[in-house]
Amino acid sequence: RKEVEQDPGPFNVPEGATVAFNCTYSNSASQSFFWYRQDCRKEPKLLMSVYSSGNEDGRFTAQLNRASQYISLLIRDSKLSDSATYLCVVGGGSYIPTFGRGTSLIVHP
Amino acid sequence: GAGVSQSPSNKVTEKGKDVELRCDPISGHTALYWYRQRLGQGLEFLIYFQGNSAPDKSGLPSDRFSAERTGESVSTLTIQRTQQEDSAVYLCASSFSGGFGNQPQHFGDGTRLSIL
Repeated sequence: RKEVEQDPGPFNVPEGATVAFNCTYSNSASQSFFWYRQDCRKEPKLLMSVYSSGNEDGRFTAQLNRASQYISLLIRDSKLSDSATYLCVVGGGSYIPTFGRGTSLIVHP
Repeated sequence: GAGVSQSPSNKVTEKGKDVELRCDPISGHTALYWYRQRLGQGLEFLIYFQGNSAPDKSGLPSDRFSAERTGESVSTLTIQRTQQEDSAVYLCASSFSGGFGNQPQHFGDGTRLSIL
C-alpha cells in the first residue's frame, strides 16, 4: 500500500492565526485527493475535495502540487472550533484510498 | 437522505466471544469500506467492497476477522474469539463508485467495541 504522510503536530495556534498543513504522497498515479476533519471520538467528516486548480471554501483553501506530490490545507482566521485532527486522503489509480494519520490542530484563545 | 448507519453504537463483550457489527451504507453507494481506529491512532484499513465483492481483504488483521455484504447494501463485520487488542472503534464508510477511489467516502458514527 502506498504511503501518505502527515506531520502529526500538534499545531498550537492563537485564534485568528493562519495555519497550513501539508500531506505528501508517494504514488504519482494518484488521482483523487481529499481533506477530512475528525473531532475527538467522532467519525471523520469530509472537509473538502482537492482539485488540480486548487479550491477555496470560506476560510479554507486546498491546493495540489503534483510535481512535488503533496497537497496542502490552509486555514485563515482560525477559530476555536477549528480545533480537530485533519486527515488527508489520496486515492484513484489502482489502489485503495489511503488515509494519512492526521495532523492535530489546537486553536487557543 | 440518511447517512451511513452503524450498529450497535457500543458493544462490550468478554474475551473469546464472537461479535457482529453492522453497516448500512448510503443508498446507491456501491463502494463500502471498513476501518479500525484504536484510541489515539489513525485509521487502519480492513476491507473494501465493490458491490458484494471484496477485491481487497489484505487489511483484515487475522483469520478471526471476516466480512460480507449482501444486496449491494448492508455489510457485516464479524470478529470471532475476540481478544483485548480488538478493542477499538470500527468505522464504516461508503461512496459512489465513479472510478476507483475517486469519490469521497462518507462515514458512519462507528461502533465502539470494548473487550473485557
